[in-house]
Amino acid sequence: GIQVEQSPPDLILQEGANSTLRCNFSDSVNNLQWFHQNPWGQLINLFYIPSGTKQNGRLSATTVATERYSLLYISSSQTTDSGVYFCAGGSSYNTDKLIFGTGTRLQVFP
Amino acid sequence: EAQVTQNPRYLITVTGKKLTVTCSQNMNHEYMSWYRQDPGLGLRQIYYSMNVEVTDKGDVPEGYKVSRKEKRNFPLILESPSPNQTSLYFCASKGLPSTDTQYFGPGTRLTVL
Repeated sequence: GIQVEQSPPDLILQEGANSTLRCNFSDSVNNLQWFHQNPWGQLINLFYIPSGTKQNGRLSATTVATERYSLLYISSSQTTDSGVYFCAGGSSYNTDKLIFGTGTRLQVFP
Repeated sequence: EAQVTQNPRYLITVTGKKLTVTCSQNMNHEYMSWYRQDPGLGLRQIYYSMNVEVTDKGDVPEGYKVSRKEKRNFPLILESPSPNQTSLYFCASKGLPSTDTQYFGPGTRLTVL
């Protein structure tokens, strides 16, 4: 099956810093999404981004489907950005079952 | 407000005592799914449903049952819970065949003693 690799596994930042999180897929994926899991365990939808670039405030994401990777950019990080960031996508034969990466744990300190 | 709801949010139970975790969505979505999240293993799909009365196994269905009698509801049933089912459970839904975002519920943290 598809393997989803996320890097870095852990990231520690000071408030105000910028960061880039990466997601690599072993095969083509559909329905690529980015999520933020907050300290209470809730999964928050960030982006649905099968290709191209999207921006939402301080966050933006880019997916290059032909090269099987996606990037999540966080600018001017805040303590509320702390948590775990997941990317997930569906395979070509089962687009609705999301295969999740192992996540990037982000800690932002004041 | 478009949302997926789950109940209960937290549950501590004992081995063998049947339980049901409810899931409901108000977006008229055809597709619904259950995932479990475990440390080091990420999120894995348990069961999914493409529409009313249509369900199928995901990657880790052992020990679970589901039903889809109404479009909006997709309960997860543990007939005889065991400690290895201690986990964080998420329900999700999306429309079909729309290539759109999948919406997740707030999660249910289950502990089986």
